[in-house]
This record gives sequence, structure tokens and C-alpha cells, in this order.
Amino acid sequence: GAGVSQSPSNKVTEKGKDVELRCDPISGHTALYWYRQRLGQGLEFLIYFQGNSAPDKSGLPSDRFSAERTGESVSTLTIQRTQQEDSAVYLCASSLGDISYEQYFGPGTRLTVT
Amino acid sequence: SQQGEEDPQALSIQEGENATMNCSYKTSINNLQWYRQNSGRGLVHLILIRSNEREKHSGRLRVTLDTSKKSSSLLITASRAADTASYFCAAQHQTGANNLFFGTGTRLTVIP
Repeated sequence: GAGVSQSPSNKVTEKGKDVELRCDPISGHTALYWYRQRLGQGLEFLIYFQGNSAPDKSGLPSDRFSAERTGESVSTLTIQRTQQEDSAVYLCASSLGDISYEQYFGPGTRLTVT
Repeated sequence: SQQGEEDPQALSIQEGENATMNCSYKTSINNLQWYRQNSGRGLVHLILIRSNEREKHSGRLRVTLDTSKKSSSLLITASRAADTASYFCAAQHQTGANNLFFGTGTRLTVIP
């Protein structure tokens, strides 16, 4: 079956512009995660959705970052007024259940803020 | 930082040799997972070891866990050029956090 997909694969934007990143999880996966990975670094947790529960936003670095998820399907991560330090690969993952389940990752969106 | 650390940061070996990567973490865990990442993009889950397990095997992979030392190791036996990738450990903390805490990764290069 289809894996996790993300779009766009690459995004170049000017400082100060807003960007929207999309994630389509695996069908039936109730959990969805967003991570950020700066060049040469490990993954940094951003936000977690689980079913219809309130999302865990504890990893969002500032109020410029927000994310939404429609039911148990597509999610969008929005970064407003982008800054150069937002440049990174943004990875989405989904899983069948909570944190104890294996996470399946998408290919990521490489964001470059000029 | 609550992230784990891995060593070495980079490892270069000849095809056929074994590769060992180590991971240390900072707090009590429920489980520890290892992931592989090719070309800085999506991660692929390799193996999960629970806190009450000491060793686990999957094909050419062997993972050990020492909770008293808060450390884990990943051994890849009989390495192949296709094993060239970055390897990350990720810990599920007992704190109840909803996310995994990833290490900084080991960049493995297997020379044909």
C-alpha cells in the first residue's frame, strides 16, 4: 500500500513569507507526527496528533508555527513569516497507535528560506 | 537537551566488516528504536527493543540495551555498500511524552 507522502518535496521561499507543508499519512493510522531536521542534526519533535484528541503542540518552537489535521487524514504544517533559521527538512510520520508503535516516515519537505 | 547522543558521529568500513554504533540516553525509557536515513530524507524503522529486553536480532542487525548504563548499541554484520546511511536511535521516555527523542545519528559509509 501507499506510504506516507509529503508535498512539496522542496520549497524555496523568501524571508517573511508564509509556507504550508502537507502530509498524507498511511490510511488507518491514527497518530501523526511532525519533526524538523536541521542539516547534520537529529530529529526535533514539533507536534503530535492522535485521533480526535487535542494535539500535543509542546515541540512547536514559536507561535509562527501551527498545524492542523482533518480527522485521521491529511495534515498541514504552516510556518508564518519565515526566518532563515526555519530552513530544514520537515518530516512527517504516522503510526497505528500511540508512541509505542513503529513510526512510518514520509520523504520530507526541504525548506530553504532565503 | 533531552536528545540522546550517538557515537561515533561517522564510521567508515570495508564491505564485509561489522559496524557497531552506540547510543546513550538521559532518562528512563519504555523502549528504544533504531532508524536508518538515506540521503537526508525519510527514515526507515529498523528495530525496537523494550526496556525489559537486553538483546534483539533482525537479520544482520543485532541491538543490545543496557538500562543501567542508559545505552544501546546497533551491530550490523557483514556490511554491504547498500548499508551506507545515517543511523539514529530514538527513545520513548517513561515521562509520558508523546514523541520519540532522537539521537544525533551516526553516518556509516561502507566502502565496496
